[in-house]
Amino acid sequence: DAGVIQSPRHEVTEMGQEVTLRCKPISGHNSLFWYRQTMMRGLELLIYFNNNVPIDDSGMPEDRFSAKMPNASFSTLKIQPSEPRDSAVYFCASSFADRGSPLHFGNGTRLTVT
Amino acid sequence: GDSVTQMEGPVTLSEEAFLTINCTYTATGYPSLFWYVQYPGEGLQLLLKATKADDKGSNKGFEATYRKETTSFHLEKGSVQVSDSAVYFCALRTSGTYKYIFGTGTRLKVLA
Repeated sequence: DAGVIQSPRHEVTEMGQEVTLRCKPISGHNSLFWYRQTMMRGLELLIYFNNNVPIDDSGMPEDRFSAKMPNASFSTLKIQPSEPRDSAVYFCASSFADRGSPLHFGNGTRLTVT
Repeated sequence: GDSVTQMEGPVTLSEEAFLTINCTYTATGYPSLFWYVQYPGEGLQLLLKATKADDKGSNKGFEATYRKETTSFHLEKGSVQVSDSAVYFCALRTSGTYKYIFGTGTRLKVLA
């Protein structure tokens, strides 16, 4: 079991540029979550999918953020255009869609927008 | 709405001290409860879980009991080590939407 795989691990970009974060969930998991973590706001849920369908995107901060899950083994989180306040660690996590199933996190992408 | 409340940190203890990190929750329906640990530069890792009332989750010397009557899931360890220094998150998963709700995290520092 390779775990949840995120790429890149680090991303440094200039304000206004497009940023795409990638995630491969654990094989067989049918729920996928994107979180953002900062010192100020802690861990925030951005969006989650069940069976590739977005269920709740109320945590997506603005229209500059979008997420897709074209198939069960891949998801992207895109920020366009990026701003310095988007700097954070972005985590992808996956699980089975049952109440007792724990969430498995990737190691995150540290995004710095200058 | 559903929520998780954890004790404020940081918590600083000497090695071999007893640890308690309080966690209480509010939820409609019947949630599952989890504790996660995060080490620097890493994602959150599952520490233990409990899925029904009176269940005790345990792992690596840590324990927590699902108390429905007090809506609590306090984390305990009898003797902490320096290597336990990390941030600990309490979380619940709701029975309706299968969404996870996390507490704000409690930073633990253990001194040798």
